[in-house]
Amino acid sequence: NAGVTQTPKFRILKIGQSMTLQCTQDMNHNYMYWYRQDPGMGLKLIYYSVGAGITDKGEVPNGYNVSRSTTEDFPLRLELAAPSQTSVYFCASGGAGLADTEAFFGQGTRLTVV
Amino acid sequence: GDSVTQMEGPVTLSEEAFLTINCTYTATGYPSLFWYVQYPGEGLQLLLKATKADDKGSNKGFEATYRKETTSFHLEKGSVQVSDSAVYFCALTDKLIFGTGTRLQVFP
Repeated sequence: NAGVTQTPKFRILKIGQSMTLQCTQDMNHNYMYWYRQDPGMGLKLIYYSVGAGITDKGEVPNGYNVSRSTTEDFPLRLELAAPSQTSVYFCASGGAGLADTEAFFGQGTRLTVV
Repeated sequence: GDSVTQMEGPVTLSEEAFLTINCTYTATGYPSLFWYVQYPGEGLQLLLKATKADDKGSNKGFEATYRKETTSFHLEKGSVQVSDSAVYFCALTDKLIFGTGTRLQVFP
């Protein structure tokens, strides 16, 4: 049972570089989310998606982009990386009618921008 | 917009002490409420949930009651263990907005 899989687990980027954080789930969930967690802080919602082809901004979308071409995949793109984007990134998914279901989280991607 | 406010940590307790972590929320409509737990180096996992007013969620000795009149969902446990040491997050749907988290440290 894979659940939610994030890759890579760790990455170091130089300022101005770009990268894509991959997230895939095998539970046929409609809802998917990207969060960032700064040291000692809570989770901030970056983007979310309620189904393939539909995405929407969360609390802190600036500097990021997402796409949702399939139900399974929800990649997060960082363009022109900045030190302020140093964080741990979590992807999550949940079924339709999230009120009655739980969200499942990946193990996280630790990103450092230097 | 929707938001969740949690008490600041860390909360430091001795084993077998009583635990309360406060959570209040602001939301339009009637959200479902959740408590998630994050153990060191791991992602979040659901601890308990409540989907309507006066519901009580419970799991692993933890409980929380959905109080619409006070817009609260406080987490309680009667007797904590060292293994309960973790960060606890209150959250609400549909955007799955989280509070800032409360770190619990339990000492033998």
